[in-house]
Amino acid sequence: DVKVTQSSRYLVKRTGEKVFLECVQDMDHENMFWYRQDPGLGLRLIYFSYDVKMKEKGDIPEGYSVSREKKERFSLILESASTNQTSMYLCASSSGLAAIYNEQFFGPGTRLTVL
Amino acid sequence: AQSVSQHNHHVILSEAASLELGCNYSYGGTVNLFWYVQYPGQHLQLLLKYFSGDPLVKGIKGFEAEFIKSKFSFNLRKPSVQWSDTAEYFCAVKGFSGGYNKLIFGAGTRLAVHP
Repeated sequence: DVKVTQSSRYLVKRTGEKVFLECVQDMDHENMFWYRQDPGLGLRLIYFSYDVKMKEKGDIPEGYSVSREKKERFSLILESASTNQTSMYLCASSSGLAAIYNEQFFGPGTRLTVL
Repeated sequence: AQSVSQHNHHVILSEAASLELGCNYSYGGTVNLFWYVQYPGQHLQLLLKYFSGDPLVKGIKGFEAEFIKSKFSFNLRKPSVQWSDTAEYFCAVKGFSGGYNKLIFGAGTRLAVHP
């Protein structure tokens, strides 16, 4: 059973704080993704990684950075949290093989509130 | 740029009613199409997917979707909904163009089924 876990379900931070969101997958997947989910906007891709130490910007990378030092772990970093980053953050992973394996598996999400 | 449009943001049905959720995408090339579902308090999970072949795809829990290439549509259907189908449904598209292929999600449709 594919498992994607995220370090926290709920997080409350103050404006200006540095925030780390951690994601771990146990299926040896090459690809990992960070999305934010906002009502009426669906899921928007922040960053993704297709290999260790590799990263690519998604559609809304501003204000975020990522780190992938190990294959199973993908971290999202908010260098200086702002109130407009209050959101649900979802991590996902997928196999890097042929298209039929491109299903993404999602973690439970981290609901971040920035005060 | 690729985009996905889900026509209904909120749908309210009574049990046993039939369901059809619209999804249209803008991309002229080869696509993979997905419907994901998020039950209250749970992970986003795959409902069904289309890669090639029969355009009528059957998924879990009695859901099906039909890919109509000429209409750029991938509508989700269920003949008779249950209270347990109350969830948010997301359509997603993966287009194949130069560079890495990302999933583009629609804004989601919240379905409420009343007993």
